[in-house]
Amino acid sequence: DSGVTQTPKHLITATGQRVTLRCSPRSGDLSVYWYQQSLDQGLQFLIHYYNGEERAKGNILERFSAQQFPDLHSELNLSSLELGDSALYFCASDRGRGTYGYTFGSGTRLTVV
Amino acid sequence: AQTVTQSQPEMSVQEAETVTLSCTYDTSESDYYLFWYKQPPSRQMILVIRQEAYKQQNATENRFSVNFQKAAKSFSLKISDSQLGDAAMYFCAYILVQGAQKLVFGQGTRLTINP
Repeated sequence: DSGVTQTPKHLITATGQRVTLRCSPRSGDLSVYWYQQSLDQGLQFLIHYYNGEERAKGNILERFSAQQFPDLHSELNLSSLELGDSALYFCASDRGRGTYGYTFGSGTRLTVV
Repeated sequence: AQTVTQSQPEMSVQEAETVTLSCTYDTSESDYYLFWYKQPPSRQMILVIRQEAYKQQNATENRFSVNFQKAAKSFSLKISDSQLGDAAMYFCAYILVQGAQKLVFGQGTRLTINP
């Protein structure tokens, strides 16, 4: 157990639907990062939050949004889902600037049918 | 552009032998950290080894070591005495000290261990 908790582990939903992925960071970590891992794109950075504030955005679609709550857990909201959104979504956490390497959760496997 | 290239999509090695995975990266910055992550079939991303770019000494972690060539922007991973449990996808990545705190990953190398 890495200490980073992601729920659910698996999610199957239909096109056009909306889902929420949840992440609880490791105790003491203030930073939360979201990554998307698809077969043809590798690991792509989506967004970074630090202590409730958005710090950086990557290739995140407008249909996707995220937030970090006062208790530091984070949610990634995916709406108007398309088949191409099927992927493994990772959350990772870190105490500071990421230079010691993130701690990753076990991921949420999203399948859009 | 910030990129990481892993030129070997797949590698295989006999158990107990040594294998080297290649990685090159491209950044105009001089201050960064480099990483190798392992992703076994369980999908968990596991940090294998970390290297500070300002350090000339190559990092080692038990059977894992790196060959860091800053001028060439090369960061290879050597696995000695390969074990069946080393079978996984291996990702090379880096993060800049300044700017967006995001790991930039390569496409990965799938390592197979032959018994």
